[in-house]
Amino acid sequence: LAKTTQPISMDSYEGQEVNITCSHNNIATNDYITWYQQFPSQGPRFIIQGYKTKVTNEVASLFIPADRKSSTLSLPRVSLSDTAVYYCLVANTGKLIFGQGTTLQVKP
Amino acid sequence: NAGVTQTPKFRILKIGQSMTLQCAQDMNHNYMYWYRQDPGMGLKLIYYSVGAGITDKGEVPNGYNVSRSTTEDFPLRLELAAPSQTSVYFCASSNLDSGVIAFFGQGTRLTVV
Repeated sequence: LAKTTQPISMDSYEGQEVNITCSHNNIATNDYITWYQQFPSQGPRFIIQGYKTKVTNEVASLFIPADRKSSTLSLPRVSLSDTAVYYCLVANTGKLIFGQGTTLQVKP
Repeated sequence: NAGVTQTPKFRILKIGQSMTLQCAQDMNHNYMYWYRQDPGMGLKLIYYSVGAGITDKGEVPNGYNVSRSTTEDFPLRLELAAPSQTSVYFCASSNLDSGVIAFFGQGTRLTVV
Protein backbone atom coordinates (compact mmCIF):
# COMPACT_ATOMS: atom_id res chain seq x y z
CA LEU A 1 0.00 0.00 0.00
CA ALA A 2 1.31 3.44 -0.93
CA LYS A 3 2.30 5.53 2.04
CA THR A 4 1.25 9.16 2.10
CA THR A 5 2.96 12.17 3.63
CA GLN A 6 1.13 15.40 4.43
CA PRO A 7 1.92 18.48 6.48
CA ILE A 8 0.74 18.01 10.05
CA SER A 9 -0.94 21.40 10.25
CA MET A 10 -1.74 24.53 8.26
CA ASP A 11 -3.23 27.92 9.12
CA SER A 12 -5.25 30.13 6.83
CA TYR A 13 -7.64 33.09 6.94
CA GLU A 14 -11.21 33.29 5.81
CA GLY A 15 -11.58 33.95 2.08
CA GLN A 16 -8.17 32.59 1.14
CA GLU A 17 -7.46 29.65 -1.11
CA VAL A 18 -5.84 26.73 0.70
CA ASN A 19 -3.67 24.12 -0.99
CA ILE A 20 -2.74 20.93 0.85
CA THR A 21 -0.17 18.73 -0.82
CA CYS A 22 0.18 15.01 -0.28
CA SER A 23 3.21 12.96 -1.32
CA HIS A 24 2.74 9.35 -2.41
CA ASN A 25 5.98 8.31 -4.10
CA ASN A 26 5.11 4.60 -4.23
CA ILE A 27 1.66 4.97 -5.77
CA ALA A 28 0.66 1.97 -7.87
CA THR A 29 -0.69 2.14 -11.39
CA ASN A 30 -4.24 1.27 -10.33
CA ASP A 31 -4.36 3.44 -7.20
CA TYR A 32 -6.92 6.19 -6.88
CA ILE A 33 -6.20 9.32 -4.82
CA THR A 34 -8.97 10.21 -2.41
CA TRP A 35 -9.35 13.02 0.10
CA TYR A 36 -11.49 13.03 3.22
CA GLN A 37 -12.50 15.73 5.69
CA GLN A 38 -13.08 15.09 9.37
CA PHE A 39 -14.68 17.41 11.90
CA PRO A 40 -14.26 16.80 15.65
CA SER A 41 -16.42 13.98 16.98
CA GLN A 42 -17.53 12.95 13.48
CA GLY A 43 -16.51 10.28 11.02
CA PRO A 44 -14.49 11.28 7.95
CA ARG A 45 -16.43 12.51 4.95
CA PHE A 46 -15.44 12.00 1.31
CA ILE A 47 -14.43 15.22 -0.46
CA ILE A 48 -12.93 14.35 -3.83
CA GLN A 49 -11.24 11.57 -5.74
CA GLY A 50 -9.02 11.49 -8.81
CA TYR A 51 -6.75 9.29 -10.86
CA LYS A 52 -4.80 11.78 -12.99
CA THR A 53 -4.85 15.42 -14.12
CA LYS A 54 -7.42 17.68 -12.49
CA VAL A 55 -10.77 16.98 -10.87
CA THR A 56 -13.19 19.64 -9.64
CA ASN A 57 -16.45 19.41 -7.76
CA GLU A 58 -18.60 21.85 -5.83
CA VAL A 59 -16.35 21.63 -2.77
CA ALA A 60 -12.75 21.37 -3.96
CA SER A 61 -10.30 20.75 -6.76
CA LEU A 62 -7.70 18.01 -6.93
CA PHE A 63 -4.54 18.50 -8.95
CA ILE A 64 -2.48 15.44 -9.90
CA PRO A 65 0.77 15.81 -11.89
CA ALA A 66 1.66 13.41 -14.66
CA ASP A 67 3.95 11.26 -12.47
CA ARG A 68 1.17 10.94 -9.85
CA LYS A 69 3.72 10.97 -7.03
CA SER A 70 1.90 13.80 -5.32
CA SER A 71 -1.48 15.48 -5.30
CA THR A 72 -2.81 18.83 -4.13
CA LEU A 73 -6.21 19.46 -2.62
CA SER A 74 -7.35 23.02 -3.29
CA LEU A 75 -10.09 24.61 -1.19
CA PRO A 76 -11.27 27.92 -2.67
CA ARG A 77 -12.16 30.80 -0.38
CA VAL A 78 -12.18 28.91 2.91
CA SER A 79 -14.49 29.81 5.77
CA LEU A 80 -14.32 29.09 9.49
CA SER A 81 -16.42 25.97 8.89
CA ASP A 82 -13.60 24.46 6.82
CA THR A 83 -11.52 24.06 9.98
CA ALA A 84 -11.02 20.29 10.07
CA VAL A 85 -8.54 17.47 9.52
CA TYR A 86 -7.93 16.51 5.90
CA TYR A 87 -6.71 13.05 4.94
CA CYS A 88 -5.15 11.90 1.70
CA LEU A 89 -5.45 8.21 0.79
CA VAL A 90 -4.18 6.18 -2.14
CA ALA A 91 -5.67 2.77 -2.79
CA ASN A 92 -7.19 0.52 -5.40
CA THR A 93 -8.38 -2.22 -3.11
CA GLY A 94 -10.60 -2.18 -0.10
CA LYS A 95 -7.86 -1.97 2.53
CA LEU A 96 -7.92 1.72 3.40
CA ILE A 97 -5.07 2.98 5.57
CA PHE A 98 -5.26 6.53 6.86
CA GLY A 99 -2.24 8.67 7.60
CA GLN A 100 -2.18 11.31 10.32
CA GLY A 101 -3.81 13.93 8.12
CA THR A 102 -3.44 17.71 7.96
CA THR A 103 -5.15 19.87 10.57
CA LEU A 104 -6.37 23.03 8.85
CA GLN A 105 -7.15 25.97 11.11
CA VAL A 106 -9.07 28.80 9.45
CA LYS A 107 -8.88 32.11 11.30
CA PRO A 108 -11.24 35.09 11.01
CA ASN B 1 -31.27 5.97 3.16
CA ALA B 2 -29.52 5.62 6.54
CA GLY B 3 -26.00 4.87 5.23
CA VAL B 4 -23.78 3.44 7.98
CA THR B 5 -25.35 3.09 11.40
CA GLN B 6 -23.37 2.41 14.57
CA THR B 7 -24.71 1.48 17.98
CA PRO B 8 -24.28 2.40 20.74
CA LYS B 9 -23.05 5.99 20.50
CA PHE B 10 -21.48 5.95 23.95
CA ARG B 11 -20.47 3.19 26.34
CA ILE B 12 -18.52 2.86 29.56
CA LEU B 13 -17.00 -0.53 30.29
CA LYS B 14 -15.18 -1.84 33.29
CA ILE B 15 -11.81 -3.51 32.84
CA GLY B 16 -12.28 -7.15 31.86
CA GLN B 17 -15.83 -6.74 30.55
CA SER B 18 -16.78 -7.61 27.00
CA MET B 19 -19.05 -5.92 24.50
CA THR B 20 -20.05 -5.86 20.86
CA LEU B 21 -20.12 -2.70 18.78
CA GLN B 22 -22.76 -2.93 16.10
CA CYS B 23 -22.43 -1.63 12.55
CA ALA B 24 -24.94 -1.87 9.75
CA GLN B 25 -25.00 -0.42 6.24
CA ASP B 26 -27.84 -0.29 3.74
CA MET B 27 -25.87 0.57 0.61
CA ASN B 28 -25.11 -3.03 -0.40
CA HIS B 29 -21.40 -2.35 -0.12
CA ASN B 30 -18.99 -5.25 -0.25
CA TYR B 31 -16.29 -3.72 1.90
CA MET B 32 -16.69 -2.85 5.56
CA TYR B 33 -14.16 -1.54 8.07
CA TRP B 34 -13.56 -0.86 11.72
CA TYR B 35 -11.25 1.95 12.79
CA ARG B 36 -10.27 3.35 16.12
CA GLN B 37 -9.24 6.92 16.72
CA ASP B 38 -7.45 7.99 19.86
CA PRO B 39 -7.59 11.65 20.94
CA GLY B 40 -5.66 13.92 18.58
CA MET B 41 -4.58 11.02 16.39
CA GLY B 42 -5.47 9.61 13.00
CA LEU B 43 -7.60 6.56 12.27
CA LYS B 44 -6.13 3.11 12.73
CA LEU B 45 -7.63 0.16 10.84
CA ILE B 46 -8.61 -2.68 13.17
CA TYR B 47 -10.27 -5.18 10.84
CA TYR B 48 -11.89 -5.08 7.47
CA SER B 49 -14.07 -7.35 5.36
CA VAL B 50 -14.27 -7.77 1.60
CA GLY B 51 -17.61 -9.55 1.72
CA ALA B 52 -19.81 -11.84 3.77
CA GLY B 53 -17.77 -14.56 5.41
CA ILE B 54 -14.41 -12.90 4.68
CA THR B 55 -12.49 -10.79 7.19
CA ASP B 56 -8.88 -9.72 7.53
CA LYS B 57 -6.67 -7.97 10.05
CA GLY B 58 -5.80 -4.32 9.79
CA GLU B 59 -3.09 -2.38 11.59
CA VAL B 60 -4.21 -2.90 15.21
CA PRO B 61 -6.29 -6.10 15.51
CA ASN B 62 -5.13 -7.32 18.93
CA GLY B 63 -7.91 -7.45 21.51
CA TYR B 64 -10.70 -7.42 18.92
CA ASN B 65 -12.69 -9.91 16.89
CA VAL B 66 -15.08 -9.50 13.99
CA SER B 67 -17.51 -11.52 11.96
CA ARG B 68 -19.38 -10.87 8.73
CA SER B 69 -22.32 -13.19 8.32
CA THR B 70 -24.31 -10.82 6.09
CA THR B 71 -23.49 -8.05 3.63
CA GLU B 72 -25.21 -5.50 5.87
CA ASP B 73 -23.69 -6.17 9.30
CA PHE B 74 -20.13 -6.09 10.64
CA PRO B 75 -20.01 -6.30 14.45
CA LEU B 76 -16.80 -5.68 16.40
CA ARG B 77 -16.27 -7.70 19.56
CA LEU B 78 -14.09 -6.54 22.44
CA GLU B 79 -13.05 -9.31 24.79
CA LEU B 80 -11.55 -8.48 28.20
CA ALA B 81 -11.68 -4.71 27.80
CA ALA B 82 -8.54 -2.79 28.77
CA PRO B 83 -7.99 0.96 29.38
CA SER B 84 -5.88 1.04 26.19
CA GLN B 85 -9.06 0.34 24.25
CA THR B 86 -10.57 3.65 25.32
CA SER B 87 -11.13 5.34 21.98
CA VAL B 88 -13.68 6.39 19.39
CA TYR B 89 -14.58 3.59 17.04
CA PHE B 90 -15.72 4.23 13.48
CA CYS B 91 -17.31 1.79 11.12
CA ALA B 92 -17.24 2.39 7.37
CA SER B 93 -18.30 0.73 4.14
CA SER B 94 -17.31 1.09 0.50
CA ASN B 95 -17.54 -0.39 -2.94
CA LEU B 96 -14.88 -0.51 -5.60
CA ASP B 97 -16.99 1.01 -8.34
CA SER B 98 -14.97 3.82 -9.96
CA GLY B 99 -12.43 4.06 -7.21
CA VAL B 100 -12.63 3.59 -3.48
CA ILE B 101 -15.00 5.90 -1.61
CA ALA B 102 -15.82 5.02 1.96
CA PHE B 103 -18.82 6.14 3.97
CA PHE B 104 -18.46 6.40 7.72
CA GLY B 105 -20.77 6.04 10.65
CA GLN B 106 -20.98 8.61 13.42
CA GLY B 107 -18.80 6.64 15.79
CA THR B 108 -18.98 4.91 19.15
CA ARG B 109 -17.19 6.58 22.04
CA LEU B 110 -15.92 3.86 24.37
CA THR B 111 -14.37 4.43 27.78
CA VAL B 112 -12.81 1.57 29.74
CA VAL B 113 -12.38 2.26 33.46
